[in-house]
Amino acid sequence: EPEVTQTPSHQVTQMGQEVILRCVPISNHLYFYWYRQILGQKVEFLVSFYNNEISEKSEIFDDQFSVERPDGSNFTLKIRSTKLEDSAMYFCASSVLAGVGEQFFGPGTRLTVL
Amino acid sequence: SQELEQSPQSLIVQEGKNLTINCTSSKTLYGLYWYKQKYGEGLIFLMMLQKGGEEKSHEKITAKLDEKKQQSSLHITASQPSHAGIYLCGADPSGAGSYQLTFGKGTKLSVIP
Repeated sequence: EPEVTQTPSHQVTQMGQEVILRCVPISNHLYFYWYRQILGQKVEFLVSFYNNEISEKSEIFDDQFSVERPDGSNFTLKIRSTKLEDSAMYFCASSVLAGVGEQFFGPGTRLTVL
Repeated sequence: SQELEQSPQSLIVQEGKNLTINCTSSKTLYGLYWYKQKYGEGLIFLMMLQKGGEEKSHEKITAKLDEKKQQSSLHITASQPSHAGIYLCGADPSGAGSYQLTFGKGTKLSVIP
């Protein structure tokens, strides 16, 4: 069964460093998403991406964040200068359709900022 | 903004017992999604409901969206240890085919053998 994959599973970084989280969405899906979940809190939407551009983004997704689909399979989230409060589980998701179909989530990348 | 309140926050049941988890929205629900999350893992899609009064079942899990479309319930019949996890309800906050989902805080279910 096709699934969303994410690498790495755990990333530890120093405050101020840049990190890139990688995702491989399901191959025939057209919409891609990043969510995050701070320990003990809700899963929060960050950004959605379709047709090589951002469709929607939340207030959390400020200038420190960027997304890219560098090739036909990968979808990346970059945090330019990490802060302590960026420590969270980051989930990538993909869907065939937007708004009417389920989003399939990856297993997540746990980001720890020291 | 739309808020989703889940109740209870946590639940411990004996194996074989039935249970219900509720999700109440501050606004009309246009699409309600149920996901299951195991600790430290991703979200697994369970069911999606869109129409008021809609009910869907998969194996021993049944989800309903009430007629007024502001509340959904998830019912598990004859619970098993494999049902343990965190159940999240998610919704499209705008009702306009939005790309994003808003989630509740989750209900942590433990099933005692």
